[in-house]
Amino acid sequence: GAVVSQHPSWVICKSGTSVKIECRSLDFQATTMFWYRQFPKQSLMLMATSNEGSKATYEQGVEKDKFLINHASLTLSTLTVTSAHPEDSSFYICSAGGGLADPGDTQYFGPGTRLTVL
Amino acid sequence: GDSVTQMEGPVTLSEEAFLTINCTYTATGYPSLFWYVQYPGEGLQLLLKATKADDKGSNKGFEATYRKETTSFHLEKGSVQVSDSAVYFCALTNSGGSNYKLTFGKGTLLTVNP
Repeated sequence: GAVVSQHPSWVICKSGTSVKIECRSLDFQATTMFWYRQFPKQSLMLMATSNEGSKATYEQGVEKDKFLINHASLTLSTLTVTSAHPEDSSFYICSAGGGLADPGDTQYFGPGTRLTVL
Repeated sequence: GDSVTQMEGPVTLSEEAFLTINCTYTATGYPSLFWYVQYPGEGLQLLLKATKADDKGSNKGFEATYRKETTSFHLEKGSVQVSDSAVYFCALTNSGGSNYKLTFGKGTLLTVNP
């Protein structure tokens, strides 16, 4: 149980285009989903926290208009990188938690999405 | 604020060696503690967790004990395998409501040689 999927697993796009990444909790409902960014050989950096049906809470220094987050249901959150540039190239990881399957404080992570902007 | 400090790697061991990765934390209140593992090119997998003092989390031969008196949560395994090669993250969460923000350590790269 507690499986989280991400799609796509990797994407290459041209500079200036927008890219949408989906995060789904497959076998549980998640009240909260998180989006992280990870640079090579570094730890995860929390970008934003989203609760179903409400606006996401962004961490300091993360541009809200660049990284659009939608949490439309208890099983789906999306991250859209708008007008992507090469510096946005990174490994993006989502996590889900706080759901009925595990009402405690455990977060379950997706497999990540590798974004490369040319 | 909350913080997690874990031993810097990389750690290189031979198969069947004993593993310890140290982790200490600073937090107010009563955090929950976690170890996550990340294999190359993948997301994080929950390895084990402990939610209160003196709890021992264990999974796949790994274990860690929540020590409030030393604010530590060291990861141990008696006999590592090549397949244990990965990055290990110690983390804590310290929120009571529906927002369970994780605070991560920097990660420790473990390489196990045959």
